[in-house]
Amino acid sequence: QKEVEQDPGPLSVPEGAIVSLNCTYSNSAFQYFMWYRQYSRKGPELLMYTYSSGNKEDGRFTAQVDKSSKYISLFIRDSQPSDSATYLCAMMGTSYDKVIFGPGTSLSVIP
Amino acid sequence: AAGVIQSPRHLIKEKRETATLKCYPIPRHDTVYWYQQGPGQDPQFLISFYEKMQSDKGSIPDRFSAQQFSDYHSELNMSSLELGDSALYFCASSLGLSSYEQYFGPGTRLTVT
Repeated sequence: QKEVEQDPGPLSVPEGAIVSLNCTYSNSAFQYFMWYRQYSRKGPELLMYTYSSGNKEDGRFTAQVDKSSKYISLFIRDSQPSDSATYLCAMMGTSYDKVIFGPGTSLSVIP
Repeated sequence: AAGVIQSPRHLIKEKRETATLKCYPIPRHDTVYWYQQGPGQDPQFLISFYEKMQSDKGSIPDRFSAQQFSDYHSELNMSSLELGDSALYFCASSLGLSSYEQYFGPGTRLTVT
C-alpha cells in the first residue's frame, strides 16, 4: 500500500461545477499538506499548502485537512476549462522532510 | 517573476551513454530538489541540496550523481543510461530547507533509445 492514495480519475465535469479532489494517507506523522496542479508536459505548480488540520481558501480553491481521518480534499468552485489538468496532493512530516506525492487525479472541465 | 530554468528541455540518448541535466533555481532560492516522473506516475524524489551540500537523498540510482554549485545552480549527471531512465526530470527550488513551498521547473524530457 502506498503512503498516499488518490483516485487517478479521469474526472470529467461540466464548466461551472464544483469539483472535489481527495487523498487519503497512512502516515499519521504528516503535518504539511500541499496541492499541485500539473498541465500536460509541464512541471507541477504549487496551488496551496496547509499545516495540520483545518481549511484554507484561496480564490476558487479550498483545501481541507482532516487528520483524524487521514483525509485531505481540494475543492474547486466555478470550475473552468483552464482547470483541466492533473492534480497532485503531496505531504510531509516536518518542514524538512522529503515530499511524498500522490499519484494524481486527471480532471477535465468540459465547456 | 523569474521561475526555475531547466536545460535542455528535451534530450535523446542511447543506452550506456551519459547525460547532464542543468537546473537554475529561482533567484535567492538556496535549495534545489531533483525528481523523476515516469509516464502516468507521480514525481519520485531523487536528491536535494541546500547551500551546496546534499541535504537529502531518495531513490537515486548509484549511476546518477548531482551537485550544487556556488551560484546555486545544480547539475544531475546520469551515466550508463538504461531504457528505464526515460522519464521527465524535474528540478524544484525553495528558500531554505522548508520544502513545503517548492517551485518546479518545466522539466527535461529524457528519452533513452
